[in-house]
Amino acid sequence: EVQLVESGGGLVQPGRSLRLSCAASGFTFDDYAMHWVRQAPGKGLEWVSGISWNSGSIGYADSVKGRFTISRDNAKNSLYLQMNSLRAEDTALYYCANVHYWGQGTLVTVSS
Amino acid sequence: EIVLTQSPGTLSLSPGERATLSCRASQSVSSSYLAWYQQKPGQAPRLLIYGASSRATGIPDRFSGSGSGTDFTLTISRLEPEDFAVYYCQQYGSSSWTFGQGTKVEIK
Repeated sequence: EVQLVESGGGLVQPGRSLRLSCAASGFTFDDYAMHWVRQAPGKGLEWVSGISWNSGSIGYADSVKGRFTISRDNAKNSLYLQMNSLRAEDTALYYCANVHYWGQGTLVTVSS
Repeated sequence: EIVLTQSPGTLSLSPGERATLSCRASQSVSSSYLAWYQQKPGQAPRLLIYGASSRATGIPDRFSGSGSGTDFTLTISRLEPEDFAVYYCQQYGSSSWTFGQGTKVEIK
């Protein structure tokens, strides 16, 4: 069974940092590019960042460029998102995904 | 950046009716790297269609996708009660993804 399990979300003050993790199982992780997608409460889907299978190609949405860093560890079947200088508008449910498989998300709330 | 525009914003239909959802891209989507997702409240998006017209594993054949270039369509041939949800199109052909703003299919 394919599973993507996100963790690391929580309540954080503006300007602080948070690191999200995604543990993958049930498929060949290093065959796939992986992405982070977020969804603010009551809003649509927003792509955040993506990384190729070998970390050779990385991209970010303009809204997070320079603040967020994506990485992966294929030996651990894991994807990460380091989020710095968090803002209120970063509040969202963060999903780990490739086209075919999505996790259930981890909630990040940025508030003082 | 490829911008995807979905129409209509909301579709009000009855069970058994046909639903036609549109997704228009601001530039050609390479190799038909166009997907459709269904999302219900409190759930993650569920892949329905990839490659513009290929059904994902376990998706009923009442769901079909068509189109190429800049114009794509998701058709639900006969709406079942469980099909009332929000639908998103997505392009995944470039190094970044983009999503349409979503179409809500609601019960009339």
